[in-house]
Amino acid sequence: DQQVKQNSPSLSVQEGRISILNCDYTNSMFDYFLWYKKYPAEGPTFLISISSIKDKNEDGRFTVFLNKSAKHLSLHIVPSQPGDSAVYFCAASGGNQFYFGTGTSLTVIP
Amino acid sequence: KAGVTQTPRYLIKTRGQQVTLSCSPISGHRSVSWYQQTPGQGLQFLFEYFSETQRNKGNFPGRFSGRQFSNSRSEMNVSTLELGDSALYLCASSLGTGLSDGYTFGSGTRLTVV
Repeated sequence: DQQVKQNSPSLSVQEGRISILNCDYTNSMFDYFLWYKKYPAEGPTFLISISSIKDKNEDGRFTVFLNKSAKHLSLHIVPSQPGDSAVYFCAASGGNQFYFGTGTSLTVIP
Repeated sequence: KAGVTQTPRYLIKTRGQQVTLSCSPISGHRSVSWYQQTPGQGLQFLFEYFSETQRNKGNFPGRFSGRQFSNSRSEMNVSTLELGDSALYLCASSLGTGLSDGYTFGSGTRLTVV
Protein backbone atom coordinates (compact mmCIF):
# COMPACT_ATOMS: atom_id res chain seq x y z
CA ASP A 1 0.00 0.00 0.00
CA GLN A 2 1.86 3.06 -1.30
CA GLN A 3 0.90 5.94 1.00
CA VAL A 4 3.16 8.40 -0.80
CA LYS A 5 3.03 8.42 -4.57
CA GLN A 6 5.10 10.08 -7.23
CA ASN A 7 3.22 9.33 -10.41
CA SER A 8 5.83 10.67 -12.81
CA PRO A 9 8.84 8.37 -12.94
CA SER A 10 10.76 10.86 -15.08
CA LEU A 11 10.81 14.49 -16.14
CA SER A 12 12.94 16.39 -18.64
CA VAL A 13 13.33 20.16 -18.52
CA GLN A 14 15.44 22.67 -20.39
CA GLU A 15 18.12 24.49 -18.43
CA GLY A 16 16.82 27.78 -17.04
CA ARG A 17 13.19 26.69 -17.06
CA ILE A 18 11.07 25.63 -14.10
CA SER A 19 10.99 22.00 -12.93
CA ILE A 20 7.87 20.91 -11.08
CA LEU A 21 7.89 17.59 -9.29
CA ASN A 22 4.68 16.29 -7.78
CA CYS A 23 3.83 14.04 -4.89
CA ASP A 24 0.49 12.77 -3.55
CA TYR A 25 -0.24 11.15 -0.22
CA THR A 26 -3.18 9.32 1.22
CA ASN A 27 -2.76 9.60 4.99
CA SER A 28 -4.27 12.79 6.45
CA MET A 29 -2.27 12.21 9.65
CA PHE A 30 1.00 13.06 7.92
CA ASP A 31 2.28 16.33 9.35
CA TYR A 32 5.80 16.70 8.00
CA PHE A 33 7.03 16.41 4.45
CA LEU A 34 10.46 16.42 2.89
CA TRP A 35 12.16 16.22 -0.46
CA TYR A 36 15.38 14.30 -0.95
CA LYS A 37 17.70 14.33 -3.92
CA LYS A 38 19.70 11.28 -4.93
CA TYR A 39 22.63 10.96 -7.31
CA PRO A 40 23.71 7.52 -8.57
CA ALA A 41 25.92 5.59 -6.12
CA GLU A 42 25.13 8.04 -3.31
CA GLY A 43 22.55 8.07 -0.55
CA PRO A 44 19.64 10.52 -0.67
CA THR A 45 20.43 13.98 0.65
CA PHE A 46 17.95 16.29 2.31
CA LEU A 47 16.75 19.13 0.13
CA ILE A 48 13.82 20.95 1.71
CA SER A 49 10.99 20.29 4.13
CA ILE A 50 7.60 21.67 5.09
CA SER A 51 5.39 21.18 8.09
CA SER A 52 1.65 20.80 7.74
CA ILE A 53 1.04 24.19 9.39
CA LYS A 54 2.52 25.89 6.32
CA ASP A 55 1.59 25.83 2.68
CA LYS A 56 4.89 27.05 1.24
CA ASN A 57 8.56 26.90 2.11
CA GLU A 58 11.30 28.44 0.04
CA ASP A 59 15.06 27.89 0.02
CA GLY A 60 16.95 29.55 -2.78
CA ARG A 61 15.92 28.02 -6.08
CA PHE A 62 13.77 25.40 -4.34
CA THR A 63 10.20 25.93 -3.17
CA VAL A 64 7.88 23.30 -1.76
CA PHE A 65 4.12 23.82 -1.85
CA LEU A 66 1.68 21.87 0.28
CA ASN A 67 -2.03 21.55 -0.47
CA LYS A 68 -3.48 19.68 2.50
CA SER A 69 -7.01 19.51 1.17
CA ALA A 70 -5.77 17.80 -1.98
CA LYS A 71 -3.10 15.82 -0.09
CA HIS A 72 -0.60 17.04 -2.63
CA LEU A 73 2.81 18.59 -2.47
CA SER A 74 5.09 19.83 -5.17
CA LEU A 75 8.69 20.89 -5.52
CA HIS A 76 9.53 23.80 -7.81
CA ILE A 77 13.08 24.36 -8.99
CA VAL A 78 13.68 27.71 -10.64
CA PRO A 79 15.82 28.11 -12.64
CA SER A 80 16.72 24.49 -13.33
CA GLN A 81 20.39 23.70 -13.76
CA PRO A 82 22.13 20.63 -15.25
CA GLY A 83 23.48 19.79 -11.78
CA ASP A 84 19.90 19.34 -10.61
CA SER A 85 19.66 16.16 -12.70
CA ALA A 86 19.00 13.45 -10.12
CA VAL A 87 16.25 11.31 -8.66
CA TYR A 88 13.96 13.22 -6.29
CA PHE A 89 12.06 11.46 -3.52
CA CYS A 90 9.30 12.97 -1.47
CA ALA A 91 8.76 11.67 2.04
CA ALA A 92 6.07 12.09 4.67
CA SER A 93 5.83 11.39 8.35
CA GLY A 94 3.19 11.40 11.04
CA GLY A 95 4.12 10.27 14.53
CA ASN A 96 6.50 7.34 14.25
CA GLN A 97 5.52 6.33 10.75
CA PHE A 98 7.28 7.65 7.69
CA TYR A 99 7.08 6.81 4.03
CA PHE A 100 8.93 7.60 0.84
CA GLY A 101 7.63 7.90 -2.68
CA THR A 102 9.01 5.92 -5.61
CA GLY A 103 11.04 8.83 -6.95
CA THR A 104 11.07 11.03 -10.04
CA SER A 105 14.15 11.13 -12.22
CA LEU A 106 14.78 14.72 -13.33
CA THR A 107 16.96 15.46 -16.33
CA VAL A 108 17.89 19.06 -16.99
CA ILE A 109 18.96 19.50 -20.58
CA PRO A 110 21.71 22.10 -21.18
CA LYS B 1 32.10 15.44 10.96
CA ALA B 2 31.85 11.90 9.60
CA GLY B 3 28.63 10.95 7.86
CA VAL B 4 26.69 7.73 7.95
CA THR B 5 28.98 4.86 6.96
CA GLN B 6 27.70 1.67 5.38
CA THR B 7 29.81 -1.38 4.75
CA PRO B 8 30.39 -3.09 2.47
CA ARG B 9 29.56 -0.90 -0.53
CA TYR B 10 29.01 -3.84 -2.84
CA LEU B 11 28.18 -7.46 -2.19
CA ILE B 12 27.42 -10.47 -4.35
CA LYS B 13 25.76 -13.48 -2.74
CA THR B 14 24.25 -16.71 -3.92
CA ARG B 15 20.58 -17.54 -3.51
CA GLY B 16 19.98 -19.30 -0.21
CA GLN B 17 22.92 -17.68 1.58
CA GLN B 18 22.61 -15.12 4.32
CA VAL B 19 24.14 -11.65 4.50
CA THR B 20 24.91 -9.04 7.15
CA LEU B 21 25.15 -5.35 6.37
CA SER B 22 26.58 -2.75 8.71
CA CYS B 23 25.71 0.88 9.39
CA SER B 24 27.62 3.33 11.56
CA PRO B 25 25.54 6.41 12.31
CA ILE B 26 26.69 9.98 12.68
CA SER B 27 28.28 10.47 16.09
CA GLY B 28 25.59 11.31 18.62
CA HIS B 29 22.73 9.96 16.52
CA ARG B 30 20.72 7.33 18.35
CA SER B 31 18.24 6.31 15.70
CA VAL B 32 19.07 4.12 12.71
CA SER B 33 16.59 3.19 10.01
CA TRP B 34 17.00 0.79 7.11
CA TYR B 35 15.47 1.01 3.65
CA GLN B 36 15.45 -1.14 0.55
CA GLN B 37 15.57 0.65 -2.77
CA THR B 38 14.59 -1.15 -5.96
CA PRO B 39 13.68 0.30 -9.36
CA GLY B 40 10.01 1.23 -9.47
CA GLN B 41 9.49 0.67 -5.73
CA GLY B 42 11.32 3.63 -4.33
CA LEU B 43 12.50 3.48 -0.77
CA GLN B 44 10.76 0.76 1.19
CA PHE B 45 11.06 1.06 4.97
CA LEU B 46 12.49 -2.01 6.66
CA PHE B 47 12.86 -1.09 10.33
CA GLU B 48 14.03 1.54 12.76
CA TYR B 49 16.12 1.16 15.88
CA PHE B 50 16.45 3.64 18.70
CA SER B 51 18.60 3.01 21.76
CA GLU B 52 19.01 -0.67 20.85
CA THR B 53 15.24 -1.22 20.56
CA GLN B 54 13.29 -1.78 17.39
CA ARG B 55 10.68 0.98 17.29
CA ASN B 56 9.10 0.45 13.90
CA LYS B 57 8.98 -2.30 11.34
CA GLY B 58 7.92 -2.26 7.70
CA ASN B 59 6.17 -4.98 5.73
CA PHE B 60 9.06 -7.31 5.05
CA PRO B 61 9.24 -11.04 5.77
CA GLY B 62 10.95 -12.39 8.86
CA ARG B 63 14.05 -13.21 6.78
CA PHE B 64 14.94 -9.54 7.25
CA SER B 65 16.15 -8.72 10.74
CA GLY B 66 18.30 -6.16 12.42
CA ARG B 67 19.84 -5.06 15.64
CA GLN B 68 21.48 -2.05 17.19
CA PHE B 69 24.42 -2.02 19.52
CA SER B 70 25.09 0.20 22.53
CA ASN B 71 27.27 2.49 20.39
CA SER B 72 24.28 2.97 18.04
CA ARG B 73 25.90 1.02 15.21
CA SER B 74 23.37 -1.20 13.50
CA GLU B 75 23.44 -4.38 11.48
CA MET B 76 20.86 -5.77 9.12
CA ASN B 77 20.68 -9.47 8.31
CA VAL B 78 18.90 -11.19 5.47
CA SER B 79 18.68 -14.96 5.62
CA THR B 80 17.87 -17.43 2.85
CA LEU B 81 18.52 -14.87 0.14
CA GLU B 82 16.23 -14.71 -2.87
CA LEU B 83 16.91 -13.18 -6.26
CA GLY B 84 14.35 -10.48 -5.48
CA ASP B 85 16.44 -9.30 -2.54
CA SER B 86 18.87 -7.71 -4.98
CA ALA B 87 18.66 -4.02 -4.18
CA LEU B 88 20.39 -1.00 -2.74
CA TYR B 89 20.09 -1.08 1.04
CA LEU B 90 20.26 2.32 2.67
CA CYS B 91 20.49 3.24 6.28
CA ALA B 92 19.72 6.63 7.76
CA SER B 93 20.55 8.00 11.18
CA SER B 94 19.02 10.80 13.19
CA LEU B 95 19.27 12.36 16.63
CA GLY B 96 15.84 11.17 17.64
CA THR B 97 13.07 9.47 15.78
CA GLY B 98 11.23 10.95 12.87
CA LEU B 99 12.17 12.63 9.64
CA SER B 100 12.47 16.08 11.19
CA ASP B 101 15.42 15.17 13.38
CA GLY B 102 18.40 15.56 11.07
CA TYR B 103 17.71 12.43 9.07
CA THR B 104 20.88 11.60 7.09
CA PHE B 105 21.44 8.73 4.70
CA GLY B 106 24.51 6.67 4.04
CA SER B 107 25.65 5.79 0.51
CA GLY B 108 24.16 2.34 0.70
CA THR B 109 25.19 -1.26 0.16
CA ARG B 110 24.46 -2.67 -3.28
CA LEU B 111 23.48 -6.32 -2.82
CA THR B 112 23.31 -8.62 -5.83
CA VAL B 113 21.89 -12.11 -5.38
CA VAL B 114 22.77 -14.59 -8.12
